[in-house]
Amino acid sequence: QKEVEQNSGPLSVPEGAIASLNCTYSDRGSQSFFWYRQYSGKSPELIMFIYSNGDKEDGRFTAQLNKASQYVSLLIRDSQPSDSATYLCARRAAGNKLTFGGGTRVLVKP
Amino acid sequence: EAGVAQSPRYKIIEKRQSVAFWCNPISGHATLYWYQQILGQGPKLLIQFQNNGVVDDSQLPKDRFSAERLKGVDSTLKIQPAKLEDSAVYLCASSLVLSGLADISYNEQFFGPGTRLTVL
Repeated sequence: QKEVEQNSGPLSVPEGAIASLNCTYSDRGSQSFFWYRQYSGKSPELIMFIYSNGDKEDGRFTAQLNKASQYVSLLIRDSQPSDSATYLCARRAAGNKLTFGGGTRVLVKP
Repeated sequence: EAGVAQSPRYKIIEKRQSVAFWCNPISGHATLYWYQQILGQGPKLLIQFQNNGVVDDSQLPKDRFSAERLKGVDSTLKIQPAKLEDSAVYLCASSLVLSGLADISYNEQFFGPGTRLTVL
């Protein structure tokens, strides 16, 4: 079992809709999680991080963490064509080490 | 503030040749990371430096890969000899300090533009 797993997609959503991305992890001791966005041919950029159970909102993005079920999710509200990218979920371990999932490709259609 | 710099941006080599990548982190960032990102996959950490010391190189294929950060600033990653499966984007990242889990502001990793390596 991979440490961090994501559905590779593509997840196709119409403009203005909510995109829902999921990520599961295997290590119950994982404390904090990051969502990075990566445009094609570009480097990853941090969108959000979460380390407490529950929801965390930042603009159009909401991250959700459920440690009992070992999953993290990212919701993108009012999706825009500019949100079309690959979204990477990562868990942080001791020493600031990040383990990334394979990423979910999101396509927002006008 | 200048970001993480990497060079070259693209490199094409034949298998069994050697290649080197260079990274200059954000000024003042003590921690430097090298990742390998194969097409369609997430980045995989190869090696992590704190200043000029190695913190983690457990996933570095040491028979062919080497990395150094001699003065605690710039870093080079070398592959010798290259194999077809080394074709990937090599990302360098840096963070301010290597600390605990609580303070995100000191732990965010900032990525450079990457070097795309093609091994023929």
